[in-house]
Order: sequence, then C-alpha cells, then structure tokens
Amino acid sequence: EVQLLESGGGLVQPGGSLRLSCAASGFTVSNYGMSWVRQAPGKGPEWVSRISRSGGSKNYADSVKGRFTISRDNSKNTLYVQMNSLRAEDTAVYYCVKDLDGYSYVGDFWGQGSLVTVSS
Amino acid sequence: EIVLTQSPATLSLSPGERATLSCRASQSVSSYLAWYQQKPGQAPRLLIYDASNRATGIPARFSGSGSGTDFTLTISSLEPEDFAVYYCQQRSNWPTFGQGTNLEIK
Repeated sequence: EVQLLESGGGLVQPGGSLRLSCAASGFTVSNYGMSWVRQAPGKGPEWVSRISRSGGSKNYADSVKGRFTISRDNSKNTLYVQMNSLRAEDTAVYYCVKDLDGYSYVGDFWGQGSLVTVSS
Repeated sequence: EIVLTQSPATLSLSPGERATLSCRASQSVSSYLAWYQQKPGQAPRLLIYDASNRATGIPARFSGSGSGTDFTLTISSLEPEDFAVYYCQQRSNWPTFGQGTNLEIK
C-alpha cells in the first residue's frame, strides 16, 4: 500500500527556515516524479516544486524560486523540501505528492499534509 | 500563468441528481487537465487525468470531457459521499489549479 508521511511543519518566524520530510512506503521514490503542493487556508492548491524520476530536473513555482530546494534521499526513500527566507504568504498545508506513473504533474497519491505557519 | 476558472462556485444538488462542473482555461491546455475531489481535512484525491481518463478506483459515475480551453466534470448520479470541493488542474505549463467548486447537499 502506498503511503506518504510528511513531517517537520510548525510555527516559524518570518525570514526563518524549515525543512519538511516525506517518508514514502509501498513504492520507491526514485522510480517516480515527486512534488510538493501547498494549500493556504481556504484556498485552492498551489504546485510548489517537483523533482523528476532521474533527479536531474528540479522545478519550482516562481513564488518560491531561490528560496526553496527540493531533494530526496533514495536510501531513506524520503523526499525533502528546504524552505528558507519564509514569508507570511508561505503559510499553508504542504502536501507530498507522487506522480501518476508516466504522467508528470498528475498527483495520484498525496500525503496527509504538514502545516507550516509563518508568523511573528 | 494559465488561469483556470471554475463554475459555478457553489452547486447545490440532491443525491441521485446529475452534477455538471465546468473549468475554463485562459489559454489552450490541450487535454492536459485533471480533476480532484477534496473533503474537509483531507488531501485532494485524483479523479480524472488528461481530460477524460478515470484514475484507478474511481467509480464510473465520474466522467470528464473537453479539450483546449473548456472542460467538464460530470457526476451522473450523486451519492452522499460525492459532496465535496472539486478542483481542476492543468499541466500544459507550470501547473495551476482552479479556485474550486463546492458541491453541497440541497
């Protein structure tokens, strides 16, 4: 059974940093494209970042480019996002999302989400 | 950025009725459009991808159609568990989502 378990969220001050983790089970993360998608309270989702199956391509939304870095550890079957220079508008639930096999940016499995709150 | 506009914002129907949800793109996305269902406190769930392909385990009462800029999600006969928020999402360019349609019980 595919499972995605996010961790690392919490309250952080503006300008601070946070790293989210997503531990995968039931499949191998290096066999799929993997993404982070966030959803601010009461809003629609927003695609934040994706790492390709090979790991050679990493893409980011303009809103986070230069501040967020996506990565993965194949040995731990875990996806990460390092978030720096956090702003109030980064406050959201962050979901780890697996690509549908063969379809980039189609999320067929989502984690339960990790809440990030940026506030002083 | 491709903007997706969903209509209506809220749709009030009864179980057993047919639901028709629309999604219009600000420019052509070919068939690169997906639909998701989201219930309160849960993550989105993939229903339809590439306009008309049902995801694994999705009941046949859900169907998608359209191409270019105009897309439709149809639920042929509403079940109680279908009342939720529905989002469309394009992947022609950097992926974006619509603002959602809230399907509520009448």
